[in-house]
Amino acid sequence: DTEVTQTPKHLVMGMTNKKSLKCEQHMGHRAMYWYKQKAKKPPELMFVYSYEKLSINESVPSRFSPECPNSSLLNLHLHALQPEDSALYLCASSRVGTDTQYFGPGTRLTVL
Amino acid sequence: AQSVTQLGSHVSVSEGALVLLRCNYSSSVPPYLFWYVQYPNQGLQLLLKYTSAATLVKGINGFEAEFKKSETSFHLTKPSAHMSDAAEYFCAVSKMDSNYQLIWGAGTKLIIKP
Repeated sequence: DTEVTQTPKHLVMGMTNKKSLKCEQHMGHRAMYWYKQKAKKPPELMFVYSYEKLSINESVPSRFSPECPNSSLLNLHLHALQPEDSALYLCASSRVGTDTQYFGPGTRLTVL
Repeated sequence: AQSVTQLGSHVSVSEGALVLLRCNYSSSVPPYLFWYVQYPNQGLQLLLKYTSAATLVKGINGFEAEFKKSETSFHLTKPSAHMSDAAEYFCAVSKMDSNYQLIWGAGTKLIIKP
């Protein structure tokens, strides 16, 4: 099973809302990632968790707050987003120490 | 610094024709290389990867890629295009100073003409 699931599939939110994106994997991977992807562009790394601890934060604004409550789950909490934050948000996972990342289907976020 | 170049933001081929998507990388040491495919409104799916074993790598959906160190290339091919191959294709290389980060090419949109 190489499946990473993400919910919701689509999300529309206002600039004052608080929402969360969820990612789950059951492959036993201990590294999990959040990416942001704008249309017609490659994904941009936002955060990396290794063994449930944040190991990389690519200078992401504080309105994005990641959380890794256990080895299977990864959340991205959103607050006071801007319209330019509208994008496809992708979650990925891998074994620690390997480069082969498996991606979820993404959450299409629209900020009004 | 490592980088990945995908030649051609769009490639158009006829159904049944050869598919060739080009990827060149810059790296001081042989890297790990990946091809991912992204169908419209979907996430990225791993097509194949090179990790210093065989230089000819076979992937899913009939795709394969050949690692050529002398040309610093990792081009993706498929003998006969199918309409279902229409998608965005990304080449990526691992950052040798970190096991976590991938350096991505800009992507190539593959268009299949009937």
